[in-house]
Amino acid sequence: DTAVSQTPKYLVTQMGNDKSIKCEQNLGHDTMYWYKQDSKKFLKIMFSYNNKELIINETVPNRFSPKSPDKAHLNLHINSLELGDSAVYFCASSQAGTGDQPQHFGDGTRLSIL
Amino acid sequence: GENVEQHPSTLSVQEGDSAVIKCTYSDSASNYFPWYKQELGKRPQLIIDIRSNVGEKKDQRIAVTLNKTAKHFSLHITETQPEDSAVYFCAAGDTGRRALTFGSGTRLQVQP
Repeated sequence: DTAVSQTPKYLVTQMGNDKSIKCEQNLGHDTMYWYKQDSKKFLKIMFSYNNKELIINETVPNRFSPKSPDKAHLNLHINSLELGDSAVYFCASSQAGTGDQPQHFGDGTRLSIL
Repeated sequence: GENVEQHPSTLSVQEGDSAVIKCTYSDSASNYFPWYKQELGKRPQLIIDIRSNVGEKKDQRIAVTLNKTAKHFSLHITETQPEDSAVYFCAAGDTGRRALTFGSGTRLQVQP
């Protein structure tokens, strides 16, 4: 009965490929996020959607494109993968798109670029 | 924007000892301060949070204190156990911002 679920859990691919990560939440939350966690464990926010509307778009290469078909789903598509994209990508959700709400994280997708 | 600094970056304690992790924030408007625990290979999980109308909150062996005047908050873990070993993140946020701002994390190692 996972609250925030991501697929796949592991993704190993070659440089230059295009890949997608999917995220779904069953908490009834309005807001979803994508974070990148590098080898130093920094949690860097990339994007946030509130009820399908993009509300946070940090300085991220435009090779990364989020899509939210409905408020329970937020996907991340990455074009032309580079070595520096290797990281763990976490999806999260919160009740509302404000900074005073707890965020619930998925289990992460470990992306490895060969 | 908000800036959250977290110290120390690593902390090693003996089982049974106490551990304290400290965070400072820059934006006086921040009014929500959660703490997350991330075990190796797992997701960050909320372990305790505090809002600005409270100075201290306790849940069994963990407690968080908040000093709004000094703009710092701390996580206290008493009687540490090996299963407390993890990376701990503090964060700060407020209604006017669109997301939490996370600290850089503290790797806590509890030696048996």
